[in-house]
Amino acid sequence: DSGVTQTPKHLITATGQRVTLRCSPRSGDLSVYWYQQSLDQGLQFLIQYYNGEERAKGNILERFSAQQFPDLHSELNLSSLELGDSALYFCASSISGADYTEAFFGQGTRLTVV
Amino acid sequence: DQQVKQNSPSLSVQEGRISILNCDYTNSMFDYFLWYKKYPAEGPTFLISISSIKDKNEDGRFTVFLNKSAKHLSLHIVPSQPGDSAVYFCAASASGAGSYQLTFGKGTKLSVIP
Repeated sequence: DSGVTQTPKHLITATGQRVTLRCSPRSGDLSVYWYQQSLDQGLQFLIQYYNGEERAKGNILERFSAQQFPDLHSELNLSSLELGDSALYFCASSISGADYTEAFFGQGTRLTVV
Repeated sequence: DQQVKQNSPSLSVQEGRISILNCDYTNSMFDYFLWYKKYPAEGPTFLISISSIKDKNEDGRFTVFLNKSAKHLSLHIVPSQPGDSAVYFCAASASGAGSYQLTFGKGTKLSVIP
C-alpha cells in the first residue's frame, strides 16, 4: 500500500459525459501528479500541483482540468468524454515535488468510455 | 515523438539468470532517470534511479547503468526471481525545466520462469 488513495477504482460512462477522479495523497505530501496510461502506452504526464498551486502542465487536453484543495486532495475533471479518453489514470504524490525517489503512485482509476 | 523508448515489449528469463532491460532516450536535457516496477492492478512502484553525473547505481540485486553518449540506460537484475515478474517502466526528467514531470517509456513485461 503506497498510501495514495484513488477513487473510484473503476468508472464506466458514456461519450459526452463528465467525470471526476479523486486522489488523496500520502499524509504530509504536498505535491500531486496526474498521469494517463492509454492502451499499450507509457504513462503520460498530465499535470502537477504543489500545495494548492499548479506547478507544471503536460499534455493535458483543454477538456480536462484539475485542482488541489486546501486539505491537499486533488481532483481531475474530464468533460465531453470521448472513446479515446478510456485509460488508466494514475495519481502520484511526493513531499516536495522535487525528488522523484519520494513519489508514490496510487492504484489508478480505470475509466471506460462507451 | 517518443522521447523515452523501451524497444522490447517483453522479456523472458530463467530464474537465477540475469535480466537486462534496456531504455533509450532522445532528449539531451534529461538528467535524472528512474525505473519503476508495476504489478497488475497496482500503481507503479519506484525501483531505482540514477543521476546523469553517474554512470552506475546499485541497490541489492538491481543495478542501473547510464551511457550518456549513447543516450542509453539499462537495468540489470541479478539473480532474477519469479517475484520480479512485472512490467518495468523507464522514466526520465529534466530538472532544469523547473518541474519534475516524468517522461515514461511504454514498458517491458518481464517474465521470470521458475
